[in-house]
Amino acid sequence: EVQLVESGGGLVKPGGSLRLSCAASGFTFSAYTLNWVRQPPGKGLEWVSSVSSSSSYVYYADSVKGRFTISRDDADNSLHLQMNSLRVEDTAVYYCARGGRVIGASKWFDPWGRGTLVTVSS
Amino acid sequence: QSVLTQPPSLSGAPGQRVTISCTGSSSNIGAGYDVHWYHQLPGAAPKLLIYANTDRPSGVSDRFSGSRSGTSASLAITGLQAEDESSYYCQSYDNILSAWVFGGGTRLTVI
Repeated sequence: EVQLVESGGGLVKPGGSLRLSCAASGFTFSAYTLNWVRQPPGKGLEWVSSVSSSSSYVYYADSVKGRFTISRDDADNSLHLQMNSLRVEDTAVYYCARGGRVIGASKWFDPWGRGTLVTVSS
Repeated sequence: QSVLTQPPSLSGAPGQRVTISCTGSSSNIGAGYDVHWYHQLPGAAPKLLIYANTDRPSGVSDRFSGSRSGTSASLAITGLQAEDESSYYCQSYDNILSAWVFGGGTRLTVI
């Protein structure tokens, strides 16, 4: 069974940093693109970042570019999101989601992890 | 304001057919990028419902169907059941934003 489990969320002050992780199992991790998608409390979904297999390509939403860094470790099947200079508007549940084998524009996200809550507040 | 526009809410009676629209523009759906649909129960993670406009993942009921035409897409649910009460999101790609984009979501109530 494909499983994605996020961790690392918590409460952080504006301007602070946090590192999220996603542990994957049940599939050939290195062959797939991986993604972070977030959802502010009571609101809709927002794509955050994607990394291709072999980390050849990385992409970021404009709202996080220059502040967030996505990375993957194929040796231990893990995905990470380093979040710096956090803002109140970054408060959200952050989901890890698998993409396809190729980071094409028409990709979909499946499956998703259960998410980890990041709260940015003073 | 989401790039893809969905009605915020819809309701239907058990057994009815409902359609959820997803309206985009020439830089996303109209540019030919595929549309995908997810459903999300309160407190749970989103789950893929329809991919590549019309395809259903294994295990998804054939009561759910998707279509795409021009700058819009639709999700149809037939034989509405109480368990269909959920939030539904469409997703595509936008080549002006260079980003994967979601609709604002539609909350479906079975009355």
